[in-house]
Amino acid sequence: DQQVKQNSPSLSVQEGRISILNCDYTNSMFDYFLWYKKYPAEGPTFLISISSIKDKNEDGRFTVFLNKSAKHLSLHIVPSQPGDSAVYFCAARREERANSKLTFGKGITLSVRP
Amino acid sequence: NAGVTQTPKFQVLKTGQSMTLQCAQDMNHNSMYWYRQDPGMGLRLIYYSASEGTTDKGEVPNGYNVSRLNKREFSLRLESAAPSQTSVYFCASSDPSGRGNEQFFGPGTRLTVL
Repeated sequence: DQQVKQNSPSLSVQEGRISILNCDYTNSMFDYFLWYKKYPAEGPTFLISISSIKDKNEDGRFTVFLNKSAKHLSLHIVPSQPGDSAVYFCAARREERANSKLTFGKGITLSVRP
Repeated sequence: NAGVTQTPKFQVLKTGQSMTLQCAQDMNHNSMYWYRQDPGMGLRLIYYSASEGTTDKGEVPNGYNVSRLNKREFSLRLESAAPSQTSVYFCASSDPSGRGNEQFFGPGTRLTVL
């Protein structure tokens, strides 16, 4: 049973436009959500996170929105740049402590066209 | 700071052979993790160690053993490798007092079992 779902395996966007990456979850006990970015042949790197007590968190070009009632979150990248081309993983956990276990989605491959 | 390091980077095994994947972190983190990444499957937790001296099973522990040698090092052992264990393995670490509550990942070990 997949608890974190990234239903679109890929997304292609023109440079300068907005990229919207979606993520759904089924476990209502999740209360902290993270996005990781992964380039080929490298490990994932943390991008941005959001606690369930918030509905928005912004960091530069990256904004994460959380809709708890819909169990849905999205990552917005504005403006998109070619260097943003990577695999993006949505992850969730039940507690805000860093050493609680993460559950990952399958990832979305973002391609930003110059 | 090297962050999280993993050795080896690549490995080819024959079915039935054994090997140990090494992981070390220099960030003084308490918690360490082993994940595997398979195409279309995202990142799945194999084992984790919340603190030195403790280890617990994750989502896919069968066929693996771990050792938390000290605070810095967390190894993953395959006693009798099987083709189903062909994957990319990532080690990660975290600390509740760290910024952002995120896990830091190593560069990965690409393992092929023939």
